[in-house]
Amino acid sequence: RKEVEQDPGPFNVPEGATVAFNCTYSNSASQSFFWYRQDCRKEPKLLMSVYSSGNEDGRFTAQLNRASQYISLLIRDSKLSDSATYLCVVKSTGRRALTFGSGTRLQVQP
Amino acid sequence: SAVISQKPSRDICQRGTSLTIQCQVDSQVTMMFWYRQQPGQSLTLIATANQGSEATYESGFVIDKFPISRPNLTFSTLTVSNMSPEDSSIYLCSVESTSGILEQYFGPGTRLTVT
Repeated sequence: RKEVEQDPGPFNVPEGATVAFNCTYSNSASQSFFWYRQDCRKEPKLLMSVYSSGNEDGRFTAQLNRASQYISLLIRDSKLSDSATYLCVVKSTGRRALTFGSGTRLQVQP
Repeated sequence: SAVISQKPSRDICQRGTSLTIQCQVDSQVTMMFWYRQQPGQSLTLIATANQGSEATYESGFVIDKFPISRPNLTFSTLTVSNMSPEDSSIYLCSVESTSGILEQYFGPGTRLTVT
């Protein structure tokens, strides 16, 4: 079983739609959680960190459920520029490196 | 966030040859990380590089194939040795932020094609 699992998509949604991505992780020692965004042929860029209390940044809301080992990302009012691959990323206790999910591809259509 | 540059940005190499990728950071960092992203895949950690000590390699990666140097706190190199077409990937270096959250920032990557 992969340490971080995501639905690969693609998710094809119209502009203005709300879309949610889910991610599960297997290592209960995981301590930090992130969503990264990767555009085609570009490096991953941090979208937001995910906190236990949930956090929001504009149109983006991230939530963490430690009991279920589940992370989510909600994007409201989708824009064409949101089209990208969204990577669920986990850092485990004792490890400085990140573990990446395989990514969920989002295509926002006009 | 740190500014990270990599050289070369891309290269096409013949099998059996080696390529050294450079990673330069605009600030001093304790740890640097090397990742590989194969076509259509997510990122996989190759090794963690600390200044002044040998790199720590992940399972499936060995020093003879991917030697790493870390001569100072702002620079590292990764060499892909005796290349085969299976080594065709994007190679990315990253550094950890100095904030309490410890997120990582990535260089622009080196796109390697082995023919």
